[in-house]
Order: sequence, then structure tokens, then C-alpha cells
Amino acid sequence: ETGVTQSPTHLIKTRGQQVTLRCSSQSGHNTVSWYQQALGQGPQFIFQYYREEENGRGNFPPRFSGLQFPNYSSELNVNALELDDSALYLCASSPTGASYNEQFFGPGTRLTVL
Amino acid sequence: AQSVSQHNHHVILSEAASLELGCNYSYGGTVNLFWYVQYPGQHLQLLLKYFSGDPLVKGIKGFEAEFIKSKFSFNLRKPSVQWSDTAEYFCAVTPNQAGTALIFGKGTTLSVSS
Repeated sequence: ETGVTQSPTHLIKTRGQQVTLRCSSQSGHNTVSWYQQALGQGPQFIFQYYREEENGRGNFPPRFSGLQFPNYSSELNVNALELDDSALYLCASSPTGASYNEQFFGPGTRLTVL
Repeated sequence: AQSVSQHNHHVILSEAASLELGCNYSYGGTVNLFWYVQYPGQHLQLLLKYFSGDPLVKGIKGFEAEFIKSKFSFNLRKPSVQWSDTAEYFCAVTPNQAGTALIFGKGTTLSVSS
């Protein structure tokens, strides 16, 4: 069973640029959530996708957007990057959208905005 | 807004000492509760979870947690820690409804000396 994978591992961008992060969910999982983890903080929820539809969104501006594909892989897009967007971005998948399900996390993408 | 508080930012223990990490949440309804752990260089992984039934929950590696509804608490315990328990520990909660995200505390760093 393959776990959650994310690409790239690390990324350096400059302010104002756009970035796309990718996530492959664990086999059999139809729900993907994205989190931002700033240094010294717990992960903060960005949004969740269930069967290709956005299924909840945290307190992030519209320049954070996402997609989920028919194979349940997912993308996180961030436009007009700001310095404060520097963080570890985590993807997590779960078997369904039920709140009691364990979410399985990937290794994350470390984004640095200069 | 829902929130999770972890009382200890950094805990330092010697091997064989007992561990208790505090976690309180603010949400008036039914919740699901989780403890996740991140070992150095590894993904976030689930230690244990509670969603119904016996409020004393046992997880992997000898960890347990007790849900006390009246105190809005879900403290993590281990009777005797090992050097390999050195990690960052996150408490998280989801309201008991579909499509909701994990709300994490800021985490507690546990350092165990041998």
C-alpha cells in the first residue's frame, strides 16, 4: 500500500510568483485535505476535497486554490506569493470525508518565499 | 471559533519517567479527538483517537489518552518514556460532522534523555 506522496520536496519562489504543489493520496482514499504549517506552529487547515468537490475551507484567502482529480490526487495553487506563505505544506488523505477518520499525512513540501 | 490548547511547549524527561501532555479544546458539540506524533525526519502519524465509547483510549507504543468531557480535555499519558519517544506531539479535534478539518494545537516538543 503506497502512502501519501507530495512533490516537490522543497521549493524556493520570489514574492508575487505563483506555485503549484502536488499530492497523491493513499490508495482507496477519496478525501484530501491541505494544511499549512508555519515554523513552531501546528498545521492549519486550508481546504478539503471530497470526490473532486471542495468540501470545506479554512481561513485562507482566495489566492489559495485547489483541485482534486478523478484519481483523487490533488493540487494546491497559491497565487501572488507573500513572504508569510513560507511554510511546510502538508497533504493528508482519508478513506471518506467522515470526521472520525484518521487522516494520513504526506511528508510535506517546504516552500520558501524570498 | 474552535481552538485547541496544548499547555506545554517543550517537555524534557529522563528515560523511564512518566509523561502527561495536556490538551484542551473549545467546542460545545460532539467532537472527535486525536493525538498525532511527528518523529524527527518523519511524517505526522496517528498515535490514537477517540470518537465514541470508552473515554480511556489506548494507542500505539504504550500511549493512552483520557477524554474528560466536562473539562474539554484529552490528555496524553505514558507511564514510562523511552529515548525513542523524542518527537513533537500534536493534539487535534474535529467536530462530529462530515467534511470538517482537523484543528491542531501548537504542539509539544518532547525530549527524552537516556
